[in-house]
Order: sequence, then C-alpha cells, then structure tokens
Amino acid sequence: DTGVSQDPRHKITKRGQNVTFRCDPISEHNRLYWYRQTLGQGPEFLTYFQNEAQLEKSRLLSDRFSAERPKGSFSTLEIQRTEQGDSAMYLCASSFLETQYFGPGTRLLVL
Amino acid sequence: SQQGEEDPQALSIQEGENATMNCSYKTSINNLQWYRQNSGRGLVHLILIRSNEREKHSGRLRVTLDTSKKSSSLLITASRAADTASYFCATATYNNNDMRFGAGTRLTVKP
Repeated sequence: DTGVSQDPRHKITKRGQNVTFRCDPISEHNRLYWYRQTLGQGPEFLTYFQNEAQLEKSRLLSDRFSAERPKGSFSTLEIQRTEQGDSAMYLCASSFLETQYFGPGTRLLVL
Repeated sequence: SQQGEEDPQALSIQEGENATMNCSYKTSINNLQWYRQNSGRGLVHLILIRSNEREKHSGRLRVTLDTSKKSSSLLITASRAADTASYFCATATYNNNDMRFGAGTRLTVKP
C-alpha cells in the first residue's frame, strides 16, 4: 500500500497524559499537513511542513501541541497534558502539487 | 476557521437519482476540491477545479465553479448505495499551504 499511513488508528488516554501520533506520507510527497476533525465537522488545519521545515501553524495549535518532521519523511504530532477537548480525529495528508491525499486518521479519546 | 459551507447539511435520495450539493466560500481562492469521507475514515479526493475553470467532469461527477458568486456545486449522477458518505468542499488560497473545509453534506442513498 503506497498511501498515507497513520499510527495508531485509535488511542484512549487519561486526561493529563501525553500522546504521540505518527504519519508516514506518500514517499515522493514533500508537503505534509496535520488536521483535526471533530464529530459532524470538517477537518481543521493545524500545521504544514515542506520537507523538514514547519512553515505554517494554526492558532488551533496551542503550546501543548508540537509537530516534527525531522528528516522530511515521516512526521509526529505530540499532545502534552491532554484535555478532554482534545478528543477528535487527527488526520494527516501529504501532497506534491495541489491535491492532498489523506491517511485514515488517528481517533483520540481523552477520558 | 472553516471557509466553506455546504448545503444541504443532509440529503437522502433513492438509488438511481441524482444528488446535488452546493458549497459557498468567502475569500479568493486558487482552487476548490471535493472530498468524500465514509463514516469514521479518512478523506478521499474526488475532484479539483481551479479558479479559472468553470466546470469539470470525472465519471459520474460533475463540478461547477462560479467565482463571482463564490460558490461551487457537486453533482453525482445515477447514485448508488455505495455513494453514501459525507462530502466536503475545501478551498485553497494562492499559497495553498492550508485548505479550509466546510462542515460537509451527509448523503444517504437508499437501495
């Protein structure tokens, strides 16, 4: 399978714990995006990488959130001190040109 | 913040009928894309239309774009039960670094 992959697919954690998600983009794609989607809503942009450089961050990305793409390939999204409001689907997408290809998402539930 | 707004929020039709979904947006765009999302899964790219295009076709899909009215429509002809999903429009500005999604139209096609 050469699509975008995300790991884990599901995560249940207790409030206050840290969680980390991984995204592996399509191999030739230099752009990588993170989005958050809550129930009944469309995805909301969080951050964007071109190669290893994080070029844009949404105001949604509080200081508890950090994303990295150290070698310009896979990316990680870490949420520190999780809150119940962080419960959502976290989607990763990659692109080479205009079309973004999405992974299956990581569903996070914070208890 | 979300840019696009889909209309209607929900649509229920019989198999074989056509389904039309509309999207309105607020700012100038470089392109507009339509995505499909089955329940609890990632988004699948359907079609991209650029700001200098007025209509595009892909199989049973027809997309129109009216930049003067800042609106787009997605027509699915001869619908099938497998078309049951949520459909989102997403707009990209000229730097194309983030896409803004609407809340989606939930389409149900009854067999």
